[in-house]
Amino acid sequence: GDSVTQMEGPVTLSEEAFLTINCTYTATGYPSLFWYVQYPGEGLQLLLKATKADDKGSNKGFEATYRKETTSFHLEKGSVQVSDSAVYFCALSDRNQGGKLIFGQGTELSVKP
Amino acid sequence: EADIYQTPRYLVIGTGKKITLECSQTMGHDKMYWYQQDPGMELHLIHYSYGVNSTEKGDLSSESTVSRIRTEHFPLTLESARPSHTSQYLCASSERQSESPLHFGNGTRLTVT
Repeated sequence: GDSVTQMEGPVTLSEEAFLTINCTYTATGYPSLFWYVQYPGEGLQLLLKATKADDKGSNKGFEATYRKETTSFHLEKGSVQVSDSAVYFCALSDRNQGGKLIFGQGTELSVKP
Repeated sequence: EADIYQTPRYLVIGTGKKITLECSQTMGHDKMYWYQQDPGMELHLIHYSYGVNSTEKGDLSSESTVSRIRTEHFPLTLESARPSHTSQYLCASSERQSESPLHFGNGTRLTVT
């Protein structure tokens, strides 16, 4: 079945460092891909999405490009802030699987001043 | 501003009690979901609904039940709570299209003593 694999955390960075969180997926069809963020004590929020190959999703300085050839959707940010400290979830939605959202295991990011 | 509301936010209850976790959304979304989030952050789909009078079990077996009598309301019930039910429960909703993002509530943290 479909699945999503993220790099393990926690990831600890200094403020203004470059961030990459790796995400790869397996899917039988042509899924839509998402990154969600969960701040402490809150539910998940959509950060960005891409619905087809080579699409780039972006929001709040974060970017991710849908790479069909490598089945990847890595999250990047050029300069992280303390306020970016959160748990990040990669996810896919596949029409062939009824459109249910399948999440990766989450990656905790901690940014130190 | 949250358009999906979960109550209570925190609940501590004794073993054997019946509990209902409430979830309401004001966006008119057809699809609603319940996720269980373990301490390692991973999300597990336990129930979902594609509309009124439609409910399905998710990928993780759960002793809880759900109902969908109204579009905006998707309560989750545990008939007899046990310590193994201690977890964070997240409710979400989305539009009908498979690439539509999920909107999450802030969750209910349940502790069964």
